Amino acid sequence: DAGITQSPRHKVTETGTPVTLRCHQTENHRYMYWYRQDPGHGLRLIHYSYGVKDTDKGEVSDGYSVSRSKTEDFLLTLESATSSQTSVYFCAISDPNYGYTFGSGTRLTVV
Amino acid sequence: QQQVKQSPQSLIVQKGGISIINCAYENTAFDYFPWYQQFPGKGPALLIAIRPDVSEKKEGRFTISFNKSAKQFSLHIMDSQPGDSATYFCAASHVRKGTALIFGKGTTLSVSS
Repeated sequence: DAGITQSPRHKVTETGTPVTLRCHQTENHRYMYWYRQDPGHGLRLIHYSYGVKDTDKGEVSDGYSVSRSKTEDFLLTLESATSSQTSVYFCAISDPNYGYTFGSGTRLTVV
Repeated sequence: QQQVKQSPQSLIVQKGGISIINCAYENTAFDYFPWYQQFPGKGPALLIAIRPDVSEKKEGRFTISFNKSAKQFSLHIMDSQPGDSATYFCAASHVRKGTALIFGKGTTLSVSS
């Protein structure tokens, strides 16, 4: 999607290892979000940021941490990956006039 | 606590028919109600959105109907086409408070040709 990229697109990792997902935007939007998508659960908010170094927890934040040292980058870290964190992770940015723009997602598999 | 409830979970409609997806919310402070469309392997994309000061908004074949007193809103897709086959999510937020969108669980729509 234009203006927002996620990396990597796919990742397989072992239980107990740390994993970092990256979201990069070129739109200079203040707000950035991390959601996870699971069958039967829709999209659930993990963490969000409302500015550099300003972050807050969402509905399913346990086991996740985030950092935002620059406006354009929002990192999601799984400190010690578990099988329950196997999911598709979406980053989003928001503009008050146009709603949310989502990235293409990262499919994470924890084995 | 599920703040946005979406139904049905799945829907099959014939080409040319009307697709209707419903959502109900609990928090009366919500003031922004968008619908997102998602195709397999892609991120959700904003389809149409409404604020609570109007009861209906139409964009092409897509219409949102909003009932503030019942705390419900729905998406109507007129003249449904096979290309509309996707997963649809309703959502809600309190924009002035800066809260993040809360999503329904999604509806998988299949339009048969």
